[in-house]
Amino acid sequence: QQQVKQSPQSLIVQKGGIPIINCAYENTAFDYFPWYQQFPGKGPALLIAIRPDVSEKKEGRFTISFNKSAKQFSLHIMDSQPGDSATYFCAASMYAGGTSYGKLTFGQGTILTVHP
Amino acid sequence: EAGVAQSPRYKIIEKRQSVAFWCNPISGHATLYWYQQILGQGPKLLIQFQNNGVVDDSQLPKDRFSAERLKGVDSTLKIQPAKLEDSAVYLCASSRLRGGITDTQYFGPGTRLTVL
Repeated sequence: QQQVKQSPQSLIVQKGGIPIINCAYENTAFDYFPWYQQFPGKGPALLIAIRPDVSEKKEGRFTISFNKSAKQFSLHIMDSQPGDSATYFCAASMYAGGTSYGKLTFGQGTILTVHP
Repeated sequence: EAGVAQSPRYKIIEKRQSVAFWCNPISGHATLYWYQQILGQGPKLLIQFQNNGVVDDSQLPKDRFSAERLKGVDSTLKIQPAKLEDSAVYLCASSRLRGGITDTQYFGPGTRLTVL
């Protein structure tokens, strides 16, 4: 019930395309959903995040769509660029009080390649 | 602002040997996390510190893994003895506040451990 399932495992698009990465969760107690971007040899870096009280959040070329009833959320990258080539992780967290706040549960990751 | 520092960046050891990793979080960050990232998977939380106290170590294999955070700043993660399945990247992250759900976690570059 603590899992976050991410798909696809890898994705290849042309420059200017709109890659979409999907995540699904089971635990309805999750109430914070960040996306992280990781380049080779680097640690993950927060890209964008959403709370379940909104259905969409946009920051620059990155958009999160959130479907609370389906327990799914997705990342869209508009006008993708070769520099966006990286591994993307979705994650989920909840405030459970006590010892559990802040704990991130990550998806398996999606390797995105954007060809010039 | 300097980022999260980790050392060493790479380590190769034989199984049954011991190894230690060091992390220096961003100055002033109260919460420190250690994650294990196995190749092809998302990071998995091993232990979370609030200042120098343990908040969550539910996924730490305590028979072989140990961690400490002296004086609420630097932290070390130790594996003794190492097993083949411990081969992974060990990521350290820190956050400013109490690890609340919207408290951004900043990751270091990680230590890549190979156990032969």
